[in-house]
Amino acid sequence: GAGVSQSPSNKVTEKGKDVELRCDPISGHTALYWYRQSLGQGLEFLIYFQGNSAPDKSGLPSDRFSAERTGGSVSTLTIQRTQQEDSAVYLCALAGRTDYGYTFGSGTRLTVV
Amino acid sequence: GNSVTQMEGPVTLSEEAFLTINCTYTATGYPSLFWYVQYPGEGLQLLLKATKADDKGSNKGFEATYRKETTSFHLEKGSVQVSDSAVYFCALVTGGGNKLTFGTGTQLKVEL
Repeated sequence: GAGVSQSPSNKVTEKGKDVELRCDPISGHTALYWYRQSLGQGLEFLIYFQGNSAPDKSGLPSDRFSAERTGGSVSTLTIQRTQQEDSAVYLCALAGRTDYGYTFGSGTRLTVV
Repeated sequence: GNSVTQMEGPVTLSEEAFLTINCTYTATGYPSLFWYVQYPGEGLQLLLKATKADDKGSNKGFEATYRKETTSFHLEKGSVQVSDSAVYFCALVTGGGNKLTFGTGTQLKVEL
């Protein structure tokens, strides 16, 4: 979506490899979220960054998943030792200061083979 | 905790038919409610929202009314078009605007 760039758009990786997914937001959005969309399922919350506060990591499915947000802007989601069940579309979303509506990126489609 | 339940798809309709996609929710606190749409190959887009009971959100001919008594936010459109074919997600947020909770999505297919 406009204002949120995710890269790569598609990633195929071998089981056991590490992958890094990137989210480049436009300025002015203080809150950044990562969600996962698996085939046939809804969107699963992963992690949330809000300003300088400690991130809400309550949705990360295992310790193989981690994320960081540098300088309150770019965020990277890292998956270590990928498994086939990690295959999904990973979405980055931004929220403004007053509007609860999120702006979503187009996502990264991850396929673990 | 919060949860959203949507009718399962796919929903297949002929063009100009009436659309209803049911959504009910459970929430701690007083939620704001949303419908998002995901067109093929694209990211999710906010379609409409309602922030308090009896509010009606509307956009692109779609409507949904926040019904606190039935904890529902059903999506309706009077006459669908082929271009409305997409996946529709109902969602809610409570409290200070933290993470959205989504339903599983309902795929809509509109045929000529």
